[in-house]
Amino acid sequence: DAKTTQPPSMDCAEGRAANLPCNHSTISGNEYVYWYRQIHSQGPQYIIHGLKNNETNEMASLIITEDRKSSTLILPHATLRDTAVYYCIVRGTGTASKLTFGTGTRLQVTL
Amino acid sequence: EAGVVQSPRYKIIEKKQPVAFWCNPISGHNTLYWYRQNLGQGPELLIRYENEEAVDDSQLPKDRFSAERLKGVDSTLKIQPAELGDSAVYLCASSLVGSVRVETQYFGPGTRLLVL
Repeated sequence: DAKTTQPPSMDCAEGRAANLPCNHSTISGNEYVYWYRQIHSQGPQYIIHGLKNNETNEMASLIITEDRKSSTLILPHATLRDTAVYYCIVRGTGTASKLTFGTGTRLQVTL
Repeated sequence: EAGVVQSPRYKIIEKKQPVAFWCNPISGHNTLYWYRQNLGQGPELLIRYENEEAVDDSQLPKDRFSAERLKGVDSTLKIQPAELGDSAVYLCASSLVGSVRVETQYFGPGTRLLVL
């Protein structure tokens, strides 16, 4: 699975959009981009995933560049409860597929 | 719908003692994962089951770790004997893998182990 690069930390004011970047320059054609987050003392929580089209659900939007070498997770109106570590994971399909977590981005939402 | 259930939530033991963790996946999920998460790091896969079969245990330290998933539902992860370096959070996840192998893993709250 391709490696990802994320900034170690980011701050965001409550009510503003949080834009979390991820670089995955070695991604291959059949690999998906997944985002999970982990709130303190909880297990990771699935947010969203995509292949090449932009995706949106009730939690967030995922913007993937046309060359697929990077993506951005957007939390449109961040709240204090969105404070967490956000993991960007590139993952293939097939029997050997697994989630390989990096160290993620620690997002701090402030008043 | 209930999520992934793990117990205990916390465990403190002395080194060289045995310890076991239990996981009940989401109903109907055929794939179960055990991850270990060290402080400040992301989770790392220990073992993956498809139904009763362990299909990826390459990262499981087999000299002291063992796991089982009887009847393809609940699973236990055991450490015997525990070492100081085993202190970590042990996470269980489950998913439903079908013909289209793009599945979402759902995680439990984890068991926080401290070995003294």
